[in-house]
Amino acid sequence: NAGVTQTPKFRVLKTGQSMTLLCAQDMNHEYMYWYRQDPGMGLRLIHYSVGEGTTAKGEVPDGYNVSRLKKQNFLLGLESAAPSQTSVYFCASSYTGTGTPISYEQYFGPGTRLTVT
Amino acid sequence: AQSVTQLDSQVPVFEEAPVELRCNYSSSVSVYLFWYVQYPNQGLQLLLKYLSGSTLVKGINGFEAEFNKSQTSFHLRKPSVHISDTAEYFCAVSDPLGGSYIPTFGRGTSLIVHP
Repeated sequence: NAGVTQTPKFRVLKTGQSMTLLCAQDMNHEYMYWYRQDPGMGLRLIHYSVGEGTTAKGEVPDGYNVSRLKKQNFLLGLESAAPSQTSVYFCASSYTGTGTPISYEQYFGPGTRLTVT
Repeated sequence: AQSVTQLDSQVPVFEEAPVELRCNYSSSVSVYLFWYVQYPNQGLQLLLKYLSGSTLVKGINGFEAEFNKSQTSFHLRKPSVHISDTAEYFCAVSDPLGGSYIPTFGRGTSLIVHP
């Protein structure tokens, strides 16, 4: 199993450009998440999804959109990039499964380093 | 909503010395607690978790943590650190019985192991 993969690994954008980050998982997990990591701020949740076709806002959703058309993929879009969106972006997924307790521990991808100039 | 406080942003320590990384969370009846580790330029990976039962939890790489309900703490410990333990450590808490299955993360503690 590849686990959680993210594409691309690095990207440089100019202000106002758009891009899509792709997250894929091969563990059949229901829940998927997008975080951004900034120095001293820890991980902040951008958007999340509890299943195919569903998405919800997290702590810092402004300037981002997401889609979950297939269970294994979770896309994060920036329609008009701003320098404040310079960050490292992490995707994660978690298992719901059967049996108790369900711990919702997360499996993380390797990250995408985005710079907006 | 849950909050998580990691009291130390940076912990320097010499190799083979013991270390404790502190984590406190806001009170709740029942929580799940996690410690994740992030090595340089990598994603996070689970070190250990507390769901229920024994309050002393053992994880990978010789780490352990103790759940203390009265002090709402979940401190991470290792009796003897190695250079390879240099990393960022994140404490996280979820409150599924309270309807919050999405974990809240602390801001992280940078463990720096000196030779």
